[in-house]
Amino acid sequence: KNEVEQSPQNLTAQEGEFITINCSYSVGISALHWLQQHPGGGIVSLFMLSSGKKKHGRLIATINIQEKHSSLHITASHPRDSAVYICAVRPRAGGGADGLTFGKGTHLIIQP
Amino acid sequence: KAGVTQTPRYLIKTRGQQVTLSCSPISGHRSVSWYQQTPGQGLQFLFEYFSETQRNKGNFPGRFSGRQFSNSRSEMNVSTLELGDSALYLCASSPGQPLMREQFFGPGTRLTVL
Repeated sequence: KNEVEQSPQNLTAQEGEFITINCSYSVGISALHWLQQHPGGGIVSLFMLSSGKKKHGRLIATINIQEKHSSLHITASHPRDSAVYICAVRPRAGGGADGLTFGKGTHLIIQP
Repeated sequence: KAGVTQTPRYLIKTRGQQVTLSCSPISGHRSVSWYQQTPGQGLQFLFEYFSETQRNKGNFPGRFSGRQFSNSRSEMNVSTLELGDSALYLCASSPGQPLMREQFFGPGTRLTVL
């Protein structure tokens, strides 16, 4: 069982819709990352969270440490938001795996 | 500021050969991490260097190794290549404490093992 679970795996929505992508993890963490990967492979780091909420433009990321859960929201979605969104966690020191553990990603398609 | 660069961008090797991939981080960044991405396993962490020292290592066999130079440039080496090593290899740099800061990814090196 992957330590990081994302849902949904695939999501198709219409332009303008509010999008939510969820990430649940099973270990104590020191940080959680949200990444965006466009076709062709380029990866962009969207957020790094250790608590609370962060906002950047139309993107909002939240994390609940007690519930071991994070969400990425996209407001007023646009076709250029179409990409794979990946959640990754950094386990706390001594918490098992070193480095980052990744979810399988959510493939988002926004139709015009 | 120039972004993270990786060379080569594409590489074809045969089983049993060895390969060296290079990563130049953003100027001033001292941390470099390496990742493997395959369709089956997704993204997996390989290792991470900070100030020329390996700080963390993922669950990969000893055939995978790396190093970081004094100018923060990093190389990773895979010896005795196997078909399953075919993947996109990504490196990322960050300015400070390993994996606790935002990471900036390079375009990747796509390795094909025949």
